[in-house]
Amino acid sequence: DTAVSQTPKYLVTQMGNDKSIKCEQNLGHDTMYWYKQDSKKFLKIMFSYNNKELIINETVPNRFSPKSPDKAHLNLHINSLELGDSAVYFCASSQQTSGSRKETQYFGPGTRLLVL
Amino acid sequence: AQSVAQPEDQVNVAEGNPLTVKCTYSVSGNPYLFWYVQYPNRGLQFLLKYITGDNLVKGSYGFEAEFNKSQTSFHLKKPSALVSDSALYFCAVRDMYSNDYKLSFGAGTTVTVRA
Repeated sequence: DTAVSQTPKYLVTQMGNDKSIKCEQNLGHDTMYWYKQDSKKFLKIMFSYNNKELIINETVPNRFSPKSPDKAHLNLHINSLELGDSAVYFCASSQQTSGSRKETQYFGPGTRLLVL
Repeated sequence: AQSVAQPEDQVNVAEGNPLTVKCTYSVSGNPYLFWYVQYPNRGLQFLLKYITGDNLVKGSYGFEAEFNKSQTSFHLKKPSALVSDSALYFCAVRDMYSNDYKLSFGAGTTVTVRA
């Protein structure tokens, strides 16, 4: 059973288009994240939702908008795609129960976005 | 503020030899520390973590790491490396007292194990 899944796995699109990436986790976690991995493999947090509430919103262009319809889903919508948006986008989830020894973030397989 | 440094971009070892991947961290409070591995065209897989307790942490695939508070380090080790351990390894840290659960990742270390 897939724990954290993302769709699509690959996304090739033209500059200026709008696209969405979907993420679902079946781990029962209360916190979900979006990361961007650039061509040098550097990983950077973009957004995080805890119980559907936005708790991390890093310095990301406002063309990127996350949406969490429920605790198991966190989608990423990107408007007016630019060449520099080409990257691998990873979704992750964790259980952030206070005082627990959990904390581990589990990652999805990634969405490889190429903007032409 | 929190950050992680992985001082080596690449580590090359022969199969059967010990493998060490270095990581140092900086946090304002106490750290939660993690190691992840990424195989080509795959997502990140969790290897092990230090939250509290014993400084020596054992994880998946025979890996272990030692938390050293005085040296602010959390080096990843494996006594006998396999060719299949060749991958990209990430160290990550979170400040225990942060309220946003954000992980800060190092730049990654590429491990190559030659047969």
